[in-house]
Amino acid sequence: RKEVEQDPGPFNVPEGATVAFNCTYSNSASQSFFWYRQDCRKEPKLLMSVYSSGNEDGRFTAQLNRASQYISLLIRDSKLSDSATYLCVVNPNKFYFGSGTKLNVKP
Amino acid sequence: GAVVSQHPSWVICKSGTSVKIECRSLDFQATTMFWYRQFPKQSLMLMATSNEGSKATYEQGVEKDKFLINHASLTLSTLTVTSAHPEDSSFYICSAEHHSYNEQFFGPGTRLTVL
Repeated sequence: RKEVEQDPGPFNVPEGATVAFNCTYSNSASQSFFWYRQDCRKEPKLLMSVYSSGNEDGRFTAQLNRASQYISLLIRDSKLSDSATYLCVVNPNKFYFGSGTKLNVKP
Repeated sequence: GAVVSQHPSWVICKSGTSVKIECRSLDFQATTMFWYRQFPKQSLMLMATSNEGSKATYEQGVEKDKFLINHASLTLSTLTVTSAHPEDSSFYICSAEHHSYNEQFFGPGTRLTVL
């Protein structure tokens, strides 16, 4: 079983839509969780860390569900510039990356 | 702060040659750096953990004699792909651990194409 699993998508949404991604992880001892954004042919960039109590940064909200071992990312009021691949990262002892979920925001 | 650079950003080489990729933390010291590889439409896969002043730790299935890692200073780690073959063509990305931020900062990546 993979350490981190994500739906590869793509998610095709219109501008202004709300979209949510989930990611499941297998190691219950994981302590750190992150969402990274990766644009085509570029390096990943940290979008936000995911805290146990959930956290929000502008249009982005991240949630952690330890019981079910998944994390989520919610994007409200999608912009064209949100089009990218979103990588879920789980850190039990080193970084494990999901394969990413591709988001296409259309005009 | 927390900028990581990589050089070169892309390289094309003939099969059998060796290629060296540099990873530098520009504004912080990194005792630990990481080397990842990403094939098209796949996730980043950790190849090895580079530790300043000691031997690198390689992930299972990664040949240490093929992928030579040297972390000679607190701001520089190098990855040398020896005797490169077309199947080594990939996007190689390094990251450096910044303890103050408890996160990894990624370099811009090196795209290697082996003909």
